[in-house]
Amino acid sequence: DTAVSQTPKYLVTQMGNDKSIKCEQNLGHDTMYWYKQDSKKFLKIMFSYNNKELIINETVPNRFSPKSPDKAHLNLHINSLELGDSAVYFCASSQDPGPRVIQYFGAGTRLSVL
Amino acid sequence: DQQVKQNSPSLSVQEGRISILNCDYTNSMFDYFLWYKKYPAEGPTFLISISSIKDKNEDGRFTVFLNKSAKHLSLHIVPSQPGDSAVYFCAASGINGAGSYQLTFGKGTKLSVIP
Repeated sequence: DTAVSQTPKYLVTQMGNDKSIKCEQNLGHDTMYWYKQDSKKFLKIMFSYNNKELIINETVPNRFSPKSPDKAHLNLHINSLELGDSAVYFCASSQDPGPRVIQYFGAGTRLSVL
Repeated sequence: DQQVKQNSPSLSVQEGRISILNCDYTNSMFDYFLWYKKYPAEGPTFLISISSIKDKNEDGRFTVFLNKSAKHLSLHIVPSQPGDSAVYFCAASGINGAGSYQLTFGKGTKLSVIP
């Protein structure tokens, strides 16, 4: 029973399309995150939600829009996909947004924009 | 601007020997550090952490050392096993400009343990 699950695992699409990645956690955590791992292998925070409220919103193009319908779900919608959006996107969750929490990651969604 | 640096992209170690993975950071406001392990096609999984008020934390074969004055931490794995072969990410927790805590990751070090 996967703790943090993301769908789809792979996503291949054309430039200009709109796509969504879904994330669900069954750990009962209050806080969820989206990270992007680009070709240089850096894992960078994009967004974080705590109890459905946006608390971290890094410098990300506004083509990226997170949505948290409830505490257990955080989806990522991307409009007008560009080549540079190709990356692996990881969802994560933690018990709370505090300083000494462990984040639990999903397996990642590999997005390829052609 | 890399605030967390793992300068060795890869490391090879013989089975049974010690693996030492290094991490440097620049932000003195970081106060909690974590190591994550990542296998191919999987997400990072938490391995071990250390608070800035400590200089050592041990969990089985894994020990993390923190040298605050040098802004350096290291992960020791003894003895190394083939199943330890993975990418290891160093991460640091600190408060961002908006007042929220977030993790800053290094680029990772790929450890290969040779049987």
